Amino acid sequence: GESVGLHLPTLSVQEGDNSIINCAYSNSASDYFIWYKQESGKGPQFIIDIRSNMDKRQGQRVTVLLNKTVKHLSLQIAATQPGDSAVYFCAENRTLTGKLIFGQGTTLQVKP
Amino acid sequence: KAGVTQTPRYLIKTRGQQVTLSCSPISGHRSVSWYQQTPGQGLQFLFEYFSETQRNKGNFPGRFSGRQFSNSRSEMNVSTLELGDSALYLCASSGGAARDTQYFGPGTRLTVL
Repeated sequence: GESVGLHLPTLSVQEGDNSIINCAYSNSASDYFIWYKQESGKGPQFIIDIRSNMDKRQGQRVTVLLNKTVKHLSLQIAATQPGDSAVYFCAENRTLTGKLIFGQGTTLQVKP
Repeated sequence: KAGVTQTPRYLIKTRGQQVTLSCSPISGHRSVSWYQQTPGQGLQFLFEYFSETQRNKGNFPGRFSGRQFSNSRSEMNVSTLELGDSALYLCASSGGAARDTQYFGPGTRLTVL
């Protein structure tokens, strides 16, 4: 079946360290991936996306890596800050379907 | 540009009642998708509307329905509410330059008693 999974439900890091959140997907036909951040009481907030014709994409303090060979996706956050504490979801979107398939989420806890 | 808005933000209903939730997409966006978020099942796709037509549907019973208006605003309806329908209902819109990227609203928290 279709699924997008994350390896760890919770990740705890020290403020200032780099964070790496992982995600595995099962459908080799997936061609577009998105990372969302969800803070308590809010809807998911778009962080960064990547298409299947790319291996890496960088944003402000964030990098997404895509390994299609092993169907693995990761989100790297540089110099993690307390404001980064949230639940992070990876999602798969088949182009033009309008349907996102979400992983279960990883809770990032940033220790001061 | 204003983001996705959802009304109401909170709602309490009793079993057997019906409920209608509203979503206003980002200006210029023509696609609206709905998701249900629960602690046990996570985020699950309900349906997507594009140009007033349902384009995709998830695996939810027929009690869950929706529609989209000519101005792209969308509503979803849940009839004969069950306790298990308690959830955060999220709306997302997409379109424009990055048509695949979905931007979410704050959600409507539905509690069924």
